Parts: sequence; C-alpha cells; structure tokens
Amino acid sequence: ILNVEQSPQSLHVQEGDSTNFTCSFPSSNFYALHWYRWETAKSPEALFVMTLNGDEKKKGRISATLNTKEGYSYLYIKGSQPEDSATYLCAQKGSSNTGKLIFGQGTTLQVKP
Amino acid sequence: DTGVSQDPRHKITKRGQNVTFRCDPISEHNRLYWYRQTLGQGPEFLTYFQNEAQLEKSRLLSDRFSAERPKGSFSTLEIQRTEQGDSAMYLCASSPQGAIQPQHFGDGTRLSIL
Repeated sequence: ILNVEQSPQSLHVQEGDSTNFTCSFPSSNFYALHWYRWETAKSPEALFVMTLNGDEKKKGRISATLNTKEGYSYLYIKGSQPEDSATYLCAQKGSSNTGKLIFGQGTTLQVKP
Repeated sequence: DTGVSQDPRHKITKRGQNVTFRCDPISEHNRLYWYRQTLGQGPEFLTYFQNEAQLEKSRLLSDRFSAERPKGSFSTLEIQRTEQGDSAMYLCASSPQGAIQPQHFGDGTRLSIL
C-alpha cells in the first residue's frame, strides 16, 4: 500500500520569508512525483512532474528536488508573497501503466503581508 | 484556452437521492480521471478513462457509483442512493497520452448530503 505523507500540515510565514515543505513516499514502486498548488475556490494547478533521482525543477520563485532512493521531495519557495498562500499537494504515480495519483494530505501555506 | 469544466459547481441533495455530475475535459486530452476529496485530505483516486475505455477503478468506487465516457469526450459520474459519507468535493482531471503528463484539474463539484 502506497502512503504519501506531507509535512508540516500548515505553515504561517511573513512576506519575504523563504520556506520549504517535505513530501515523503515509499521508494519502492516509484514512477513519478507530481506537485500541485491549490488555491481556495480554484482548481489544483500542476507545478512539477519529476521522475529522476536528483531531479531539480524550478518555476519562478518555486523549486523542487527529488530523492527517489530515500523517498522524499522538497518544495522550496523563495521570498514568499501573499499570493503564494495555498495548499501544496504532492502525489506519487506508482507505474507507467496506471493513471492513479496517490496524494498526500497537503501543506497549507499562509503568507502574511 | 478552455480548461477542464465541471458541472454543477455545487449540489445539495437529500440522502437516498441519485446525483449525476458532468466533466468536460480539455479537448485534445484523451485521458480523464475522477477523484474525491474530503476535508483535510488529499484527493483520492476513483477511476480513469483512456478515450471511452474505463481502465482503472478504485475499490472506493462502490456499486452505487458509476462513471461513463461514452464517446471519449465528456464524462459523467453518477452516485445512486446517496449516503452522508458521500459528501465531498468530486474532482475531474484530464491529460494527454503519456506516462509523465501532469493531470489538469477542474474546479470540482461540491456535494452535500442532507
């Protein structure tokens, strides 16, 4: 059974702070790791899809790293802004044959101006 | 750019009633997914279509749930004899073919069972 865990559950930071969250997943049966941002009253937005150990992706002030051997991924936000306030979800895909993403419970970020 | 569209956005119904939700995927996407999300949890996979073929179904999808995608375009998710525990956000997503494609989500349908 795959179990994806995210920490912390919630985070409150000041505007301008840099922050990071963790996604842990079983390293067996790993195919890909997805990150999403979900703002209130909107649809989840795809940020990254990562597959290779040591992979690093960047989109503006947001970046992510992947360690498939130890089963974790970090998401970093540099210089947080109020518009970064959202729930950040990671999801594991276990094989190329499945359409199923197994999501963590999310990290909710609140950035105070 | 039209994204994934879901209808209705909200549905309130009495326990025991049947409900049906619709999802229109991004037009060039041949894969379509349904998820359910309850408060404090991440989305849980329900089912997945490639074109009109339903390729995967979660054990969460009891016999009261049925999903269809008859012409490989829009999809419907029906819940029969709704129960209190069915109250959730139902999310639809679509993607192009390819094992490493992100899934693009709609805004969801919020179901409340009275």
